[in-house]
Amino acid sequence: DGGITQSPKYLFRKEGQNVTLSCEQNLNHDAMYWYRQDPGQGLRLIYYSQIVNDFQKGDIAEGYSVSREKKESFPLTVTSAQKNPTAFYLCASSTLENRGQEAFFGQGTRLTVV
Amino acid sequence: AQSVSQHNHHVILSEAASLELGCNYSYGGTVNLFWYVQYPGQHLQLLLKYFSGDPLVKGIKGFEAEFIKSKFSFNLRKPSVQWSDTAEYFCAVNARGGSYIPTFGRGTSLIVHP
Repeated sequence: DGGITQSPKYLFRKEGQNVTLSCEQNLNHDAMYWYRQDPGQGLRLIYYSQIVNDFQKGDIAEGYSVSREKKESFPLTVTSAQKNPTAFYLCASSTLENRGQEAFFGQGTRLTVV
Repeated sequence: AQSVSQHNHHVILSEAASLELGCNYSYGGTVNLFWYVQYPGQHLQLLLKYFSGDPLVKGIKGFEAEFIKSKFSFNLRKPSVQWSDTAEYFCAVNARGGSYIPTFGRGTSLIVHP
């Protein structure tokens, strides 16, 4: 089955630690995205990538970092510089063909700072 | 920059009631428009989309949306809701001819009482 796999589903982090969220897709999509979902705030874009080895900051990139070494993979690192990292993180991908199609989402990772 | 406004943050209905969720976007160019749904415990999935042609688009589970260009709106409707429609609904837009990055509204939480 084609889709997007995020892991882990739940993640607990101590203050001051960096953690990395995994996102893998087998849809052969060029574009991949990371969003943060907080109650009442919708989905806010953290980073996106439209080609391997290139990525761009979204609206709330501070305290986060990404890499795109392979087309299939777009991991997100939440660094200790992120002031309020407890949130639900969603990874998505889409094709850039045909004037831009809909995004496909993973199941999400819920990060809690303890 | 593009932005999306969803006017109803929380909606509570009884089964068989009609539903209309408002969505307005701000972007001067041509856009692709989407509604996504997030059922409790499930990943975000596409409900319907508009790219061109008939401004009234039909989606899954009896939902439809109407694109009114002059009002920059893309409201979601369903004539008769069911308990299983309880979910969070997100309107989204991406700019055609641009970077195609999806921008989301804040979401509307819909609760349908049996």
